[in-house]
Order: sequence, then structure tokens, then C-alpha cells
Amino acid sequence: EVVLIQSPATLSFSPGERATLSCRASQSAGSFLAWYQQKVGQAPRLLIHDTFKRATGVPARFSGSGSGTDFTLTISSLEPEDFAVYYCQLRSVGPPFSWTFGQGTKVEVK
Amino acid sequence: QMRLVQSGAEMKKPGASVKVSCKASGFTFSGYYIHWVRQSPGQGLDWMGWVNPNSGGTNYAQKFQGRVTLTRDTSITTVYMEFTRLKSDDTAVYYCATGGPTRHDSSLTATEGASWGQGTLVTVSS
Repeated sequence: EVVLIQSPATLSFSPGERATLSCRASQSAGSFLAWYQQKVGQAPRLLIHDTFKRATGVPARFSGSGSGTDFTLTISSLEPEDFAVYYCQLRSVGPPFSWTFGQGTKVEVK
Repeated sequence: QMRLVQSGAEMKKPGASVKVSCKASGFTFSGYYIHWVRQSPGQGLDWMGWVNPNSGGTNYAQKFQGRVTLTRDTSITTVYMEFTRLKSDDTAVYYCATGGPTRHDSSLTATEGASWGQGTLVTVSS
């Protein structure tokens, strides 16, 4: 079973800064890697799917990259509404397939 | 657009069972897997399993196997998550979410993970 490691658990930035979040898989993860944003009291929101494809309505400042075991979510210039928790997620190839989540990275205001 | 609406908060005693519903609308119900994800207070997201609304087939995460049952009622486009033998550390918010397509069909274009229910808080306490 693949394990996703997101580190560090918390990152601190000022608005306008560039944020780079890391997600490392314990074995080669293929391309079914997604990123979600979650704010307090809300359901997760899909930002990136298939490693680099932005979901509908997601601003262009969010981008995804990576391959194999190392994946990255980049926020080019942090807006006030971007301070939240971010999770990476993998869908295994299967059968049967399953979902695995990283433990999350909190992006907080410095 | 795709919409998932879950049933309301539940309070249960240890050892009891809970059944949470997830009503789908705005898309072909049989066309997409429905996943369930749990989030304990202050913790991350924990995948529980999926149901295929087309066939009724299921797959469960090992840690929940034997205690969770996912079913669907196609007549009312609703998926259910039943969780038995509840313990205090099962206190969490439970989410349903849309998955990938259940069959090869060019009309099934929605992105996996794009739609989530609002979450249902299940509190287990004596």
C-alpha cells in the first residue's frame, strides 16, 4: 500500500509570497495524483488532478507538477483566501482501486 | 451541476450503529463511483471505501473492513454508509465524494473528486 508523506506539517508565508508544497510517495505513484484545499468547517475542494491539471474554476496561480514519487503544488502568489490546509491524494491503479491521502500541510500566515 | 447532500448530524452511544445518507443530483447516478472519507477532529482525511452505484459493488479500506457497509438505492439516487460497533474514536465528520466513471462512456466527463457532500458529524459518546 502506497503511503503519501507531506512535509512539513505547517508552512508560514506572507501574502504575495510563493508557496511550494511537497508530497512524496513511498513507491512510484503513476499520474493519478490530486491536490485538495480544505478550509475550517468546509469539505475539501479539488484543486489539481492527474498531477498537473487544474480543476474547473481554480485560479491559475495554483499549479501541480511531479512524477514517480515526488509531487509538488505551487501557489505562485498567495492570496488571503489561500491560507488553508492542503492534501495530496493518490488513486491506486487497482483492481480494486483505492484512495490514499497525505496527512496534509497547513499554510499559515507568517 | 454535480451535487451531493448528506443527512444530518448524529449522536450515538458506543456499540451502536449509524447510517448516513448521501443524495446525488445533477449527474448520471450510475455513472460515477461514490467514495466515503472520514475526518476525525483536528486530523486529516481517511479514505473508507467506495460503492459502484451501477453494480452495487464495493471496496473497503482494510482498517474499516467488517464494520462499514456501503449500499445504494438507485430509485432515489442515494448512497448509504452504515458503520457498526461504534467507538468514541469514531467521532468524526464523514464525507461522500464522487469518484471516477464506472464505465467507458464518452458522456461521463466529470473529474474524479470534484464533488463532495457537506459532511455529516457523527458523535460517539456515552
